[in-house]
Amino acid sequence: AQSVAQPEDQVNVAEGNPLTVKCTYSVSGNPYLFWYVQYPNRGLQFLLKYITGDNLVKGSYGFEAEFNKSQTSFHLKKPSALVSDSALYFCAVRDNTGGSYIPTFGRGTSLIVHP
Amino acid sequence: NAGVTQTPKFRVLKTGQSMTLLCAQDMNHEYMYWYRQDPGMGLRLIHYSVGEGTTAKGEVPDGYNVSRLKKQNFLLGLESAAPSQTSVYFCASSTNRGLYETQYFGPGTRLLVL
Repeated sequence: AQSVAQPEDQVNVAEGNPLTVKCTYSVSGNPYLFWYVQYPNRGLQFLLKYITGDNLVKGSYGFEAEFNKSQTSFHLKKPSALVSDSALYFCAVRDNTGGSYIPTFGRGTSLIVHP
Repeated sequence: NAGVTQTPKFRVLKTGQSMTLLCAQDMNHEYMYWYRQDPGMGLRLIHYSVGEGTTAKGEVPDGYNVSRLKKQNFLLGLESAAPSQTSVYFCASSTNRGLYETQYFGPGTRLLVL
């Protein structure tokens, strides 16, 4: 079975400060992990993913995520937040065992960047 | 490429009415999905398809039916709409090259059932 948790419904950060959006997961095998962003009244857009290899993954718009196997986490980070980063962020996981190609999404975290 | 498109963008239904939501993709993707998004619930999978002519149930399939007669289209039907089906519906597609493949999402359909 696979599951993902985003423990924060909302994250507030000042523009220019670093931001972190948390995600933890549970899988039977090895995980494939994804981050998506949803701007108001839009569909989800892919940001980045972890398959294998380097634990630090770089993605679109200056975002990066760190895979931590021991803590089963895949937190999204950005060194300097922009007001335009304000959006809803979703973490998703697929388990590479069991043959399921259907990802499980977290409930989403609303990121609010204050000017 | 238009990517994933959804029709209509917004619809108001009365309880008991029926409607069909259309999803179309021009990326030749094998897999297609229908999700609903509700506040605090994230994305929940309704139905999905792994290829033309095949469909399968997701997490919340009750009250919905789907069809995939053509590879590029995935239709979601509501036979008798209920207020609990008020939601934003998203279609997505992906290739079948591997479990690590990214999903591409449409812009969504807002449905209000009165």
